[in-house]
Amino acid sequence: KAGVTQTPRYLIKTRGQQVTLSCSPISGHRSVSWYQQTPGQGLQFLFEYFSETQRNKGNFPGRFSGRQFSNSRSEMNVSTLELGDSALYLCASSFRTGLKLFFGSGTQLSVL
Amino acid sequence: KNEVEQSPQNLTAQEGEFITINCSYSVGISALHWLQQHPGGGIVSLFMLSSGKKKHGRLIATINIQEKHSSLHITASHPRDSAVYICAFPWDSGSARQLTFGSGTQLTVLP
Repeated sequence: KAGVTQTPRYLIKTRGQQVTLSCSPISGHRSVSWYQQTPGQGLQFLFEYFSETQRNKGNFPGRFSGRQFSNSRSEMNVSTLELGDSALYLCASSFRTGLKLFFGSGTQLSVL
Repeated sequence: KNEVEQSPQNLTAQEGEFITINCSYSVGISALHWLQQHPGGGIVSLFMLSSGKKKHGRLIATINIQEKHSSLHITASHPRDSAVYICAFPWDSGSARQLTFGSGTQLTVLP
């Protein structure tokens, strides 16, 4: 059974640009959640999707958005990138909310 | 992040030692996760528990919901156990139900 796949693995952008990250969950998993990890703030919850609906959202500005497709694949988008958005972005999937999480390897985003 | 405190922040042990990592929290929760993160970023969920104790190989996790405390123990530690260990729990912050993370414990096991 394939694990959680995140693409791309590395990304370099400049301030003001926008970026889209992709997450393919484990087959059969309908819940996908996204996290940001920085050296200063550690791991922080971004949002969670279940069956194409955003169920929960963390304390991030509206520049951070996401969506989930009917096949449970999810994308997150960050518009008008700032230097502080440089981070490792991780997604995780689970069969449903509240169960064991399976994490992807992450996308390392650098904003120059 | 004062809802959760992990200790110690850093831990160096000799191979074979018994290791304990602690996680204390100040809010009411129903379950807690223990995660392991290796260099390179990949995170593995080790345990999700809501009461008592769970064991998997050399790893043991315990939780006392009333005392708001959980521990992760590693018996007969090995250099391959070197990683960051993070506790996390779902919590209703008022605006959303979100997974809240501890700051992590960097474990280094020397051969």
